Amino acid sequence: QSVLTQPPSVSAAPGQRVTISCSGSSSNIGKNYVSWYQHLPGTAPKVLIYDNDKRPSGIPDRFSGSQSGTSATLGISGLQTGDEGDYYCGTWDSSLTTGGHVFGTGTKVTVL
Amino acid sequence: EVQLVESGGGLVQPGRSLRLSCTADGFRLGDYAMSWFRQTPGKGLEWISFIRRNAYGGSTDYAASVKGRFTISRDDSKNIAYLHMNSLKTEDSAVYYCSRDVLVPKLHSYYYYMDVWGRGTTVTVSS
Repeated sequence: QSVLTQPPSVSAAPGQRVTISCSGSSSNIGKNYVSWYQHLPGTAPKVLIYDNDKRPSGIPDRFSGSQSGTSATLGISGLQTGDEGDYYCGTWDSSLTTGGHVFGTGTKVTVL
Repeated sequence: EVQLVESGGGLVQPGRSLRLSCTADGFRLGDYAMSWFRQTPGKGLEWISFIRRNAYGGSTDYAASVKGRFTISRDDSKNIAYLHMNSLKTEDSAVYYCSRDVLVPKLHSYYYYMDVWGRGTTVTVSS
């Protein structure tokens, strides 16, 4: 059961910008860093953002992340048809003895 | 090329067991923590289990939905992580993924994020 809430879907035309919100609480996003993952059909998930706003090498700067309080946002600019897929926010759950991950509910991005 | 390959999925009856493998290629498994996730049709990703590096004690943790039934383990000499699944239920049917977890130390804390994932292996629990 996801404890981070995302909109079920967002859509825009090619070249446009979309933003995906991720709403949590003081026990998760409010005290831990957020990562964002892209899951395209038939492929392995891929990390787009970590540390709230950092991009791993190879991730284009069309993808951006931010965090404020108990919420985080992923921005995708210059939308491309290859961006269609599911996007998840995630954070670390330090309330467990060893720890684990928590994910958002997921957002489907559609390029019109 | 750095990659993870899951295997061991299949059709199994409720109440039976199954062992999934996650083989690391292109890097030393022992240098990383590892996680297992699953995704059921039409639903999102669910974290299942996490195991630290043996250098950090190899401790483990589990989601409430699988605690007591699933066990994560690792064999760094073979570069393989495992997920042992017992007392399987129909609701355990899903695509199972493993991931490589990166430790990010902070001033007074730390966290992990996943930087490499496999393509998944499908588990179907049905009579």
